[in-house]
Amino acid sequence: AQSVAQPEDQVKVAEGNPLTVKCTYSVSGNPYLFWYVQYPNRGLQFLLKYITGDNLVKGSYGFEAEFNKSQTSFHLKKPSALVSDSALYFCAVRDIGSNAGNMLTFGGGTRLMVKP
Amino acid sequence: EPEVTQTPSHQVTQMGQEVILRCVPISNHLYFYWYRQILGQKVEFLVSFYNNEISEKSEIFDDQFSVERPDGSNFTLKIRSTKLEDSAMYFCASTGGAGANVLTFGAGSRLTVL
Repeated sequence: AQSVAQPEDQVKVAEGNPLTVKCTYSVSGNPYLFWYVQYPNRGLQFLLKYITGDNLVKGSYGFEAEFNKSQTSFHLKKPSALVSDSALYFCAVRDIGSNAGNMLTFGGGTRLMVKP
Repeated sequence: EPEVTQTPSHQVTQMGQEVILRCVPISNHLYFYWYRQILGQKVEFLVSFYNNEISEKSEIFDDQFSVERPDGSNFTLKIRSTKLEDSAMYFCASTGGAGANVLTFGAGSRLTVL
């Protein structure tokens, strides 16, 4: 079974400071990993994904995430936060093992609040 | 940019009534999904659909739920007899392929069961 944990319900940072939103995962095979963002009353928007290769993945709006296999983590980062980054962030995983299905499993979400 | 569109945006219904939520996936996509998000909780997988049949479903997707692709464009989720606990935001998603392909989500349909 595949699962995702986002240990922080909420992250608060000041505008201009770096931000990190944490994510750890569990799969039986190898993972495909995704970050999505949800603004109020909107659907989930894709930010970035890790498939293979370089552990540091760059995505939309200046976000990046680092895949760490030994720690089974895929933390989302941004060097300088903007107030407009305030939203709900979801990490998701798909297990690419031979018996895995195609479904995406989401973490519980982390609310990012960026203060001016 | 292509979008997944969902209707209605909000539906209020009485417990025990049937509800149909509609989705128009991106036109060249092949895999379709329904997820739900109860207020304040995580996004939960309900069902995936490929080649005109269900490919996976979660334990949430019991006999009260069904999905259909009645024509070449629509993908519907039906709840036969709604319960209070079905109140949630329901998201449709589609993707062009399996594996690493990115799911594109609609804006969601909020279902309120009274």
